[in-house]
Amino acid sequence: GQQVMQIPQYQHVQEGEDFTTYCNSSTTLSNIQWYKQRPGGHPVFLIQLVKSGEVKKQKRLTFQFGEAKKNSSLHITATQTTDVGTYFCAGPESTNAGKSTFGDGTTLTVKP
Amino acid sequence: KAGVTQTPRYLIKTRGQQVTLSCSPISGHRSVSWYQQTPGQGLQFLFEYFSETQRNKGNFPGRFSGRQFSNSRSEMNVSTLELGDSALYLCASSLGTGLYEQYFGPGTRLTVT
Repeated sequence: GQQVMQIPQYQHVQEGEDFTTYCNSSTTLSNIQWYKQRPGGHPVFLIQLVKSGEVKKQKRLTFQFGEAKKNSSLHITATQTTDVGTYFCAGPESTNAGKSTFGDGTTLTVKP
Repeated sequence: KAGVTQTPRYLIKTRGQQVTLSCSPISGHRSVSWYQQTPGQGLQFLFEYFSETQRNKGNFPGRFSGRQFSNSRSEMNVSTLELGDSALYLCASSLGTGLYEQYFGPGTRLTVT
């Protein structure tokens, strides 16, 4: 079945440093979604990318979807303590749009 | 617009018992998905319902079942509980399948003793 892997599993940064998490799927995705889960909370939708090579920005966050639609990345510039949490990517297979597979997530901690 | 609600929020059960969890999606959303979240396994897809029909199912044993009602509310049932079923069970609703973002509820924390 489809596998979605994220690296790194954990990332500890000093406030102000940049952070990047990578997401790789074993199959082609129809789209990629990113979610953030704060400690003790539930996943919250951040963004969805649909087109090959698409890049979207949300303030300090930059999301990219790979040309082959099998990988994606999330980059945070100048991290803040409010960025703490686990970031998940999720994507339905292009052949089975109803079943999204989530990556295992990257947990970000930010030291002030 | 009210968010996704899940009841109960916390539950303690004994091995061998069964449990039913409830999820009320955002008004207008017809798709409901269920996930199991554990520290070691991340978010594991259980099943997805759309218009009262199970559209997709994850790799969980038959002890895990679910259903969706005509008002889109959904329930999931776990029979013959095992210690390994202890987890946070998350429900997510969306307008449709696949191409729509999912809105998660706060989850039900199930502890099996």
